[in-house]
Amino acid sequence: AQKVTQAQTEISVVEKEDVTLDCVYETRDTTYYLFWYKQPPSGELVFLIRRNSFDEQNEISGRYSWNFQKSTSSFNFTITASQVVDSAVYFCALSDSGSARQLTFGSGTQLTVLP
Amino acid sequence: DGGITQSPKYLFRKEGQNVTLSCEQNLNHDAMYWYRQDPGQGLRLIYYSQIVNDFQKGDIAEGYSVSREKKESFPLTVTSAQKNPTAFYLCASSIDWSGGRNEQFFGPGTRLTVL
Repeated sequence: AQKVTQAQTEISVVEKEDVTLDCVYETRDTTYYLFWYKQPPSGELVFLIRRNSFDEQNEISGRYSWNFQKSTSSFNFTITASQVVDSAVYFCALSDSGSARQLTFGSGTQLTVLP
Repeated sequence: DGGITQSPKYLFRKEGQNVTLSCEQNLNHDAMYWYRQDPGQGLRLIYYSQIVNDFQKGDIAEGYSVSREKKESFPLTVTSAQKNPTAFYLCASSIDWSGGRNEQFFGPGTRLTVL
């Protein structure tokens, strides 16, 4: 069955530190999609990135980077030089046939960046 | 501005009452979704609709009902049969279903409290 595990419930860092949020997934499919969303205190989820299972190329967008490794079923998210505005809950999600191609979310990681 | 609106932001319900949560989008998206979020947990899918006049049950549909009479609207009714309805409800949409590969855009959410 499909599953997404975000083992880090809460992380606190001091501003300008780098931080990595872990995401491990389980799926029987060869074709699947992985997503990261950010949920700031306002509550609305904001889409960050999508990765399909055939594209293992790492991606960098400004201070954000993502490391997708099929060998370890992981899709980790790193924020470089963190800022207070990065404080939010971050969700990893999986779309595969096991869920009728709907999103299965992890339980989220609460990131707090202290000034 | 294109986006998703949800109303009301906060909703209080007495036990035994049905309540309807509104979700409207002006993004011209075909697919719409309803999720429930409980404290410290990820999002769980209640219902989804891939096209007008069609909708499917998600993982936790019991005690909920929906309709999709118009492309831009996907209201959710929380019925008295829902045993524990206090939660944060999020509506989302995507351009189309496309096998689950499209990112979803989320509304600001409705926080429902049963008194």
